Amino acid sequence: KTQVEQSPQSLVVRQGENCVLQCNYSVTPDNHLRWFKQDTGKGLVSLTVLVDQKDKTSNGRYSATLDKDAKHSTLHITATLLDDTATYICVVGDRGSALGRLHFGAGTQLIVIP
Amino acid sequence: EAAVTQSPRSKVAVTGGKVTLSCHQTNNHDYMYWYRQDTGHGLRLIHYSYVADSTEKGDIPDGYKASRPSQENFSLILELASLSQTAVYFCASSDAQGGGTEVFFGKGTRLTVV
Repeated sequence: KTQVEQSPQSLVVRQGENCVLQCNYSVTPDNHLRWFKQDTGKGLVSLTVLVDQKDKTSNGRYSATLDKDAKHSTLHITATLLDDTATYICVVGDRGSALGRLHFGAGTQLIVIP
Repeated sequence: EAAVTQSPRSKVAVTGGKVTLSCHQTNNHDYMYWYRQDTGHGLRLIHYSYVADSTEKGDIPDGYKASRPSQENFSLILELASLSQTAVYFCASSDAQGGGTEVFFGKGTRLTVV
């Protein structure tokens, strides 16, 4: 059973536009949520991590929110660049301790066109 | 600079043959992981380790073995490669189980079994 659902599956935007990626999950407990960027043929690079019950983070043009009550997170990318073309993966960690596991979404493929 | 290095980056193996994927980290992390990624699916945990000379089964361990001879090195072994093991394999390291604070991924190994 998929415990982390991402939407949309894919998204095409024009350079300079903003976009929003969604992540809904059913993982319990939900210790933290992390967004990764995966360039084609590359590894996963962490963009941000959210921890609090209602959390917000900002990392340059990337900003994210987490609502643990709704089990929902969003990743906002402002003023997109061609280099933002990648797959964005939502990952939920169920504990911060020795028994913790990471639960991965299938990713949203973002394509930025000129 | 934190790093996780995988080798080889790609490999073609014959059905029934033995395959060894290697991973080396310079992050001084206790935890290391092997995941596989299949198109359209999230990463799935195969094996992990929290200390040298010890490995643990993940969610999909069948058909795979793991070896952690030192803190820095973690190998994934396919004793009898099968067509269903064609996938991209990622190694990761973290300072805690579940990647609560730091987690770094390698660039992946594309394995094709023919």
